[in-house]
Amino acid sequence: EAQVTQNPRYLITVTGKKLTVTCSQNMNHEYMSWYRQDPGLGLRQIYYSMNVEVTDKGDVPEGYKVSRKEKRNFPLILESPSPNQTSLYFCASSGIATNEKLFFGSGTQLSVL
Amino acid sequence: RKEVEQDPGPFNVPEGATVAFNCTYSNSASQSFFWYRQDCRKEPKLLMSVYSSGNEDGRFTAQLNRASQYISLLIRDSKLSDSATYLCVVNRGAGSYQLTFGKGTKLSVIP
Repeated sequence: EAQVTQNPRYLITVTGKKLTVTCSQNMNHEYMSWYRQDPGLGLRQIYYSMNVEVTDKGDVPEGYKVSRKEKRNFPLILESPSPNQTSLYFCASSGIATNEKLFFGSGTQLSVL
Repeated sequence: RKEVEQDPGPFNVPEGATVAFNCTYSNSASQSFFWYRQDCRKEPKLLMSVYSSGNEDGRFTAQLNRASQYISLLIRDSKLSDSATYLCVVNRGAGSYQLTFGKGTKLSVIP
């Protein structure tokens, strides 16, 4: 089954404790992206990647890192989480043809205390 | 003008009603347009792409007006299961894979 797998589903942590949210897709997609969703602000892009070893900043990259060492994986790293990073996070992937559908993971609800 | 703008709603409609959502976008170079559906706290899922000629999928019809830079979604014969938030999504310009999401329009279909 074609899917984007994101883990964990829920995460509670404390300020400053490094964490990684994993994202993996099994569709051989070139494009992968991370979004955060906050009430009243909609989905905002954090980082994206067009292919292995190619990553770029989205609209709200501060405080986040990503890597794309393999085509299928695109982890999101918070080196020193802060309470303003409490949010619902989504990973997504797609091919790169015109009008390609974006597949989303199930989301990670992160709370930073 | 915001990149992608939608009426946040909520739209509360009775079962069987017809409801229409509009969305405006600011980038005249945008070429790809979509409607996504999102249930509460779940991942967005593609409802339909929007083509210049307009397209229909069952009870759902999407239209694109490039001159006025807006897209629309029409839902006929609303079902309870249509209750969700509908996201207007637009790419960021010619050849861009980057997408901008509207903040969504919330629909509640009432028995």
